[in-house]
Amino acid sequence: GENVEQHPSTLSVQEGDSAVIKCTYSDSASNYFPWYKQELGKRPQLIIDIRSNVGEKKDQRIAVTLNKTAKHFSLHITETQPEDSAVYFCAATDDNYGQNFVFGPGTRLSVLP
Amino acid sequence: EPEVTQTPSHQVTQMGQEVILRCVPISNHLYFYWYRQILGQKVEFLVSFYNNEISEKSEIFDDQFSVERPDGSNFTLKIRSTKLEDSAMYFCASSEAHNEKLFFGSGTQLSVL
Repeated sequence: GENVEQHPSTLSVQEGDSAVIKCTYSDSASNYFPWYKQELGKRPQLIIDIRSNVGEKKDQRIAVTLNKTAKHFSLHITETQPEDSAVYFCAATDDNYGQNFVFGPGTRLSVLP
Repeated sequence: EPEVTQTPSHQVTQMGQEVILRCVPISNHLYFYWYRQILGQKVEFLVSFYNNEISEKSEIFDDQFSVERPDGSNFTLKIRSTKLEDSAMYFCASSEAHNEKLFFGSGTQLSVL
């Protein structure tokens, strides 16, 4: 089955700097890769996603890149703000009927003012 | 914006008791899921449900667990005889179609004493 790894587990950046979180996956059949942001005590919320037919996707300060050959994808946050502080989870899934989203272990991002 | 709703938000139960966690997925969604998250850990897949049957389940989802869609709107998770290690946040999620964005409910915090 799919296995998703995520690095780093914690990340501290100064406000205004960029943050990069990387994930790797094991199943070459995976073709959909969402990123979720979870603030303390709240539900995971989708912030950006990418499909395997695209190499990069951007939404304002957030971008995701995908390297299918290497089986890794990354989240890039530019001009970080204190409200970006949260736990970020990557996930991967494929076209299997069950559509089991497999999540990475999470990255705790702290943006220091 | 439509949301997945879950009740109760908190559930405290004695070990060995049965609990039912309730969810109302987004109305036009066809795929339903239960995930759990032990405090400080990653989101773990339990089960997916489509067309009134389980489509996939993880090794966590043993004979103590069951799911049901008793009517056109509710989706429930039953734990027959709770154990201490079942204490976690349980998230319901739904998606409109296969391999599409997953929307999470606000979660039920289950505490087994």
